[in-house]
Amino acid sequence: QLQLQESGPGLVKASETLSVTCSVSGGSISTTNYYWVWIRQPPGRGLEWIGSLFYSGMNSGSTYYNSSLKSRVTISVDPSRNQFSLNLTSVAAADTAVYYCARDGSHRDGSNAKPNDVWGQGTLVTVSS
Amino acid sequence: DIQMTQSPSSLSASVGDRVTITCRASQGIRNSLAWYQQKPGKAPDLLVYAASKLESGVPSRFSGSGSGTDYTLTISSLQPEDFATYYCQQYFSSPLLSFGGGTKMEI
Repeated sequence: QLQLQESGPGLVKASETLSVTCSVSGGSISTTNYYWVWIRQPPGRGLEWIGSLFYSGMNSGSTYYNSSLKSRVTISVDPSRNQFSLNLTSVAAADTAVYYCARDGSHRDGSNAKPNDVWGQGTLVTVSS
Repeated sequence: DIQMTQSPSSLSASVGDRVTITCRASQGIRNSLAWYQQKPGKAPDLLVYAASKLESGVPSRFSGSGSGTDYTLTISSLQPEDFATYYCQQYFSSPLLSFGGGTKMEI
């Protein structure tokens, strides 16, 4: 049973860089079956897709980002630890949110083509001024 | 980018009611549409994918339908555990994803 677990600093100062990590257990991050996704949710608000990583075990993988965040976002992979990470630079109060990682299998064929069917529990990151 | 417009943003209903939530995409998404249920303090749970396919374990009172740009989630008879917030999501442009604004279902 695949499980995802986010870890993060809890508190980040404005203008600094937010870094959160997703640890994958019960399966390998090196697979063509899934993209690995970051989604966030500001307190009391809706869900926002941040970006996705595709890592088949070759090179550093391919990344895709929300155009509204693209200039500040980097998603990277550490296959040796079966983890992927999110870096968000120059944070402000509007970046305060619960950050979720999830898998995305929507590119697969047939009945396996499901979007975000497994999520982590989320980690709250607060940006302080 | 594909924009998703969900309505209503909130809904007051009673146990036993039949309720419908609507989601409209800014362009055709060929049934690449999912619905999620989120309860306070929890991650979202996948309910429906491919517009009408129920995720394993989801009660049959939930159903999804639609085509082109317009999609609906229907709960045939609301149960107490269904009071939550619901989100639609398009994955037609996968790996680029986008969500609707959410519908908060209240008693």
